[in-house]
This record gives sequence, structure tokens and C-alpha cells, in this order.
Amino acid sequence: AQKITQTQPGMFVQEKEAVTLDCTYDTSDQSYGLFWYKQPSSGEMIFLIYQGSYDEQNATEGRYSLNFQKARKSANLVISASQLGDSAMYFCAMREGYGGATNKLIFGTGTLLAVQP
Amino acid sequence: NAGVTQTPKFRVLKTGQSMTLLCAQDMNHEYMYWYRQDPGMGLRLIHYSVGEGTTAKGEVPDGYNVSRLKKQNFLLGLESAAPSQTSVYFCASRAWTGASYEQYFGPGTRLTVT
Repeated sequence: AQKITQTQPGMFVQEKEAVTLDCTYDTSDQSYGLFWYKQPSSGEMIFLIYQGSYDEQNATEGRYSLNFQKARKSANLVISASQLGDSAMYFCAMREGYGGATNKLIFGTGTLLAVQP
Repeated sequence: NAGVTQTPKFRVLKTGQSMTLLCAQDMNHEYMYWYRQDPGMGLRLIHYSVGEGTTAKGEVPDGYNVSRLKKQNFLLGLESAAPSQTSVYFCASRAWTGASYEQYFGPGTRLTVT
């Protein structure tokens, strides 16, 4: 069965430092997609970054990058130069298949990041 | 363009009462989803729809029904609410970004069943 594991319930980081949030996944599909979402205290889910299983380069979006290690089945999120506004819950998610008809997402349990001044 | 909206934002129900959560999107997306979020468990898919008039079960469908009579609306119904349905409910719709299908989420509905 497909599964997403986030082993860090909570993390602290100093402002302006980089932080890595861990995510490992389990799937038997050859084609899949990996996502990271941010959920601030206000509750909305904000899409951050996407990595396809066939993408050879790691995805980057501004200060966010995804460290994709396919053989290890890991998709860690790296936030560079942390800001106070980065304090939030972060969810890793996996899509079954490649652009499949249902595009269902499977979520991890999340990591709560606190950025300290 | 309001994106994905959810009504209501908060609701308290007594056990056995019924209610309907409304999700609306103005982006002409075909696919829509209902998730629930519980502490320590991430988001779990309740039901989804691949187009107007179609619905399908997700991971945790029991106790819920859905309808997609109009493309822009996806309704989630609780016929007889139970305390186990206390949760935050998120609606999402799917769009092609040019690199992937991304799900856009609504702001959530916090439901408490007493």
C-alpha cells in the first residue's frame, strides 16, 4: 500500500538558517508525484512544490527545494534562509499514478516548523 | 476569481443531526475532492468527483454522502452526525499547472459534533 512517512513531529530553526523536513514514501508505482503543502495557523493548505518521479532534476521554487532521492524513496523539503512567516505545519503528499483520472493524494502526518528570531 | 470556497467555516452539531457542507469553485475544474483532517493523521480522502454528475468513494467514506449536480459545486452531507466526525473538512479542486495536476484547497470547515 502507498504510504507517506514524516518522522519529525516538530522542528525548530533559527531565522535565516536553512532547514530540512524529512519525507519518505512507499509505492510500487513507477509513475508518481510528490508534493509539499504548507498549513499556517490560519488553516489553509498552500501548495509549495512538486516533483515527478521521472524528473531528473530536483524541483525548486524560490526558497523551497525538494531533495529527491529516488533509490532511497525520500523527498525532503529544504527551506533556505528561514523567515518567521515560515512557521507552520508542513505536509508531504504523494499522488497515485501519473496524471491519473483520480489524482488522489495521500498525505503524511505533517511536521510543525517553528522559526525562532 | 475566488478560487475554492467552503460554507460554513464553523459548525457545531448534536449527535444525530444532519448537515451539508458546500464547496464551490469558479475555476471550471473537473475534479473535486473532500478530505478530513484529524490531529496526528494528516488529510484523508472522503469522496471525490471526476465531473458533473459523478462521485466516487475515497479512503474514509462511511457516514458521508456527496453530490455533484453542478460542475462548480461539490456537496458533502452528514445524514446522522457522530462525535467521530468532529474534524476539519477541506475541499479541493484539481488544475493542470503545466508540470503537474495540482490540487487547490479551500479554507476548511471546522465541525464539532457533541
